[in-house]
Amino acid sequence: QSVLTQPPSASGTPGQKVTISCSGSSSNIGSNTVNWYQQVPGTAPKLLMYTNNQRPSGVPDRFSGSKSGTSASLAISGLQSEDEADYYCAAWDDSLNGRVFGTGTKVTVL
Amino acid sequence: QVQLQQWGAGLLKPSETLSLTCGVYGGSFSGYYWGWIRQPPGKGLEWIGEMDHAGNTKYNASLKSRVTISINTSKNQVSLKLSSVSAADTAVYYCTRVTPFEVIHPWGQGTLVTVSS
Repeated sequence: QSVLTQPPSASGTPGQKVTISCSGSSSNIGSNTVNWYQQVPGTAPKLLMYTNNQRPSGVPDRFSGSKSGTSASLAISGLQSEDEADYYCAAWDDSLNGRVFGTGTKVTVL
Repeated sequence: QVQLQQWGAGLLKPSETLSLTCGVYGGSFSGYYWGWIRQPPGKGLEWIGEMDHAGNTKYNASLKSRVTISINTSKNQVSLKLSSVSAADTAVYYCTRVTPFEVIHPWGQGTLVTVSS
């Protein structure tokens, strides 16, 4: 079961900005860092953002992350066709003593 | 650059035991947790559990009674066993490395395991 809530879909035209929210609670996002993963259909997820707002080497600066309280968000500026994918947030949950994921958001480039 | 390559049976009957192995190439075991995540067809990601080289384990409470994760440091391999499988266990299973900053990276290529009579 997914403990973190994301909108099921988001879309935009090329060049637009898309923002994906990730809502949790005090036991997960509220007390631990958030990471984001990008999954192109048919492939394994890939690390996109770590420690709330840090981009791994190779991830374009069009991607940015933030966290406030028990919520986090991922923004994609200057949307490109290759950004079409599913996006998942993730965090450690102190109450469950386990790793939890968001419900996932499918981004479509119109 | 560490790479994960996984293998194992892809078709099981209900009540059988799922067994997957993941080879770790190009990196050290120490300092990391090594684990498994699964994804039912068309659905989201579910954490199964993880283990470090010292034998410390963390398991998803909902699967704990059926899951065993083990590490063979001499072979640089991580293994997953899930007993008494049912159709609900049908999923793509991913091998993963978890860094000290809770980062899951990299991921194995994934193995589709189907449970069907």
